Amino acid sequence: AQTVTQSQPEMSVQEAETVTLSCTYDTSESDYYLFWYKQPPSRQMILVIRQEAYKQQNATENRFSVNFQKAAKSFSLKISDSQLGDAAMYFCAYRPHQGGSEKLVFGKGTKLTVNP
Amino acid sequence: DTGVSQNPRHKITKRGQNVTFRCDPISEHNRLYWYRQTLGQGPEFLTYFQNEAQLEKSRLLSDRFSAERPKGSFSTLEIQRTEQGDSAMYLCASSFTGGTLYGYTFGSGTRLTVV
Repeated sequence: AQTVTQSQPEMSVQEAETVTLSCTYDTSESDYYLFWYKQPPSRQMILVIRQEAYKQQNATENRFSVNFQKAAKSFSLKISDSQLGDAAMYFCAYRPHQGGSEKLVFGKGTKLTVNP
Repeated sequence: DTGVSQNPRHKITKRGQNVTFRCDPISEHNRLYWYRQTLGQGPEFLTYFQNEAQLEKSRLLSDRFSAERPKGSFSTLEIQRTEQGDSAMYLCASSFTGGTLYGYTFGSGTRLTVV
């Protein structure tokens, strides 16, 4: 079974600085998708960034970028120029490309605090 | 369209009672998903529908849980004979076919407390 591990229960960063959130996963599949979701307090979860495993190039979305290391099964999220609005729970998630399952497997999350 | 709507936002029930939650997805989305999130954990998949057909169910969805999506529109999740272990946030999400590639749209969830 696929598993997703986020080893940092909590992280903090100063406003305007950079922070990296870690995620590792375990799978025997060769093709899959990886995601980072953000869940602000008492608000709905939103997609931050997505990576297809067959793509070598790391995904970027404005201030958010990933470091995808397929051999190491690592998928970290870098947030640059952190803003107060970035404070939230961040979840790493995995989904296989084949097999028809629509199931996303989530990690336990990392709580990010942004200090002014 | 204002997104995915879940009702109620909070539900407190006594152990042994039945509860039902409702999810109204984005109207154009043909897929609807239910997840459960307990304190300190990430969301866990429960089930999903394509239109009115329930295509996948997790082993977490015991016999006390049932989900429906009549006419492929809104969905209900019913828990019978609730137990304290059912206390959690129940999240609904919707998407187009292939939506996991682009992300689901999540609702704000229904928080269930079983006392």
